[in-house]
Amino acid sequence: GQQLNQSPQSMFIQEGEDVSMNCTSSSIFNTWLWYKQDPGEGPVLLIALYKAGELTSNGRLTAQFGITRKDSFLNISASIPSDVGIYFCAGQLRGSQGNLIFGKGTKLSVKP
Amino acid sequence: NAGVTQTPKFRILKIGQSMTLQCAQDMNHNYMYWYRQDPGMGLKLIYYSVGAGITDKGEVPNGYNVSRSTTEDFPLRLELAAPSQTSVYFCASTSGHTDTQYFGPGTRLTVL
Repeated sequence: GQQLNQSPQSMFIQEGEDVSMNCTSSSIFNTWLWYKQDPGEGPVLLIALYKAGELTSNGRLTAQFGITRKDSFLNISASIPSDVGIYFCAGQLRGSQGNLIFGKGTKLSVKP
Repeated sequence: NAGVTQTPKFRILKIGQSMTLQCAQDMNHNYMYWYRQDPGMGLKLIYYSVGAGITDKGEVPNGYNVSRSTTEDFPLRLELAAPSQTSVYFCASTSGHTDTQYFGPGTRLTVL
């Protein structure tokens, strides 16, 4: 099946540091989504991107839809302890029925 | 709105038993999805539905069945539970195939 390569797999950072993670694919996507999942919960949408080149912010989070439509990144600035969790990218393929393909996630740990 | 609800939250099954995972949404969304999430992995699509009476297979449908008799409900059925079906199951819904998906809290299933 289709795959999204998400990296890094995990990150251990100090509170206040900036974080960057990305997803790449060999396929073209119409939509890129970034979700955060806390333990025992379902994924919660952080940012949705709909156009190539689009740069969108949500508070301390910024995400971009790559120009080639095959990649996306998520940045978190000035991390805080509640940023801890697993971050997933998800892409919707061109022509699909809304089916999302998920990356394997980036586990973020923040040291106070 | 309660959003997307799932029951039960946890369940342990013996090999060969059957059960139905319930999913309901009160947002009048046409599109509904079932995913499974294995440890350290992203979500994989099992089945999806684009409206009442219409269902289709996702990436990993084997061993599962679904039905969509109403807009609100999208139950997932396991007929003969196997250890490989031990996972966390998430239901999601969206109003249109280009719109973002909202996830339920998940059902943690263990098959022994």
